Amino acid sequence: AQRVTQPEKLLSVFKGAPVELKCNYSYSGSPELFWYVQYSRQRLQLLLRHISRESIKGFTADLNKGETSFHLKKPFAQEEDSAMYYCALSRSGGYNKLIFGAGTRLAVHP
Amino acid sequence: GAGVSQSPSNKVTEKGKDVELRCDPISGHTALYWYRQSLGQGLEFLIYFQGNSAPDKSGLPSDRFSAERTGGSVSTLTIQRTQQEDSAVYLCASSLDPSGTNEQFFGPGTRLTVL
Repeated sequence: AQRVTQPEKLLSVFKGAPVELKCNYSYSGSPELFWYVQYSRQRLQLLLRHISRESIKGFTADLNKGETSFHLKKPFAQEEDSAMYYCALSRSGGYNKLIFGAGTRLAVHP
Repeated sequence: GAGVSQSPSNKVTEKGKDVELRCDPISGHTALYWYRQSLGQGLEFLIYFQGNSAPDKSGLPSDRFSAERTGGSVSTLTIQRTQQEDSAVYLCASSLDPSGTNEQFFGPGTRLTVL
């Protein structure tokens, strides 16, 4: 079965602390993994995707096929990082319907 | 340029009524998706259109749900005989090309409340 699991509904940290939002997936084949973010009163938007291997707003995510994980990390959280984060996967090389996790709300306190 | 737009932004209806939700994708985007965001279910895929191909309806929860895309642009999601469990935020997204890994751009959503 295709599934994305985000075990934490809420992650609360202080400004400057490291952040790791967990994401595990179940998929037969080689999926593409994404992190989408929704800031307060804004639209859902792409944060990063595993094939780009890039860092966006200080966030990185490494695909670990052995552990079927795609955790999102940032070494020093900022208050403006507070948002809802969704991990998602799609089939690679074809149409890309997204399968989303339940989401993790990140709250960064001053 | 303009992003994906959706209307109405909010819709309150009575159980049993039909509703229509509209999505205007980004101009030139060939693929259009509908998702539903609800408290109990998170973000669920509903239906997908790409060009002239038959839509992927695999995510529609029942035959009360249907969607069409006219002229390869605007899409309408119709829910017939609405039920309270249909209450959710309905999101539309578009992307330039369904192959590869092109980004999906989301609209602001339509919040549907079924009383």
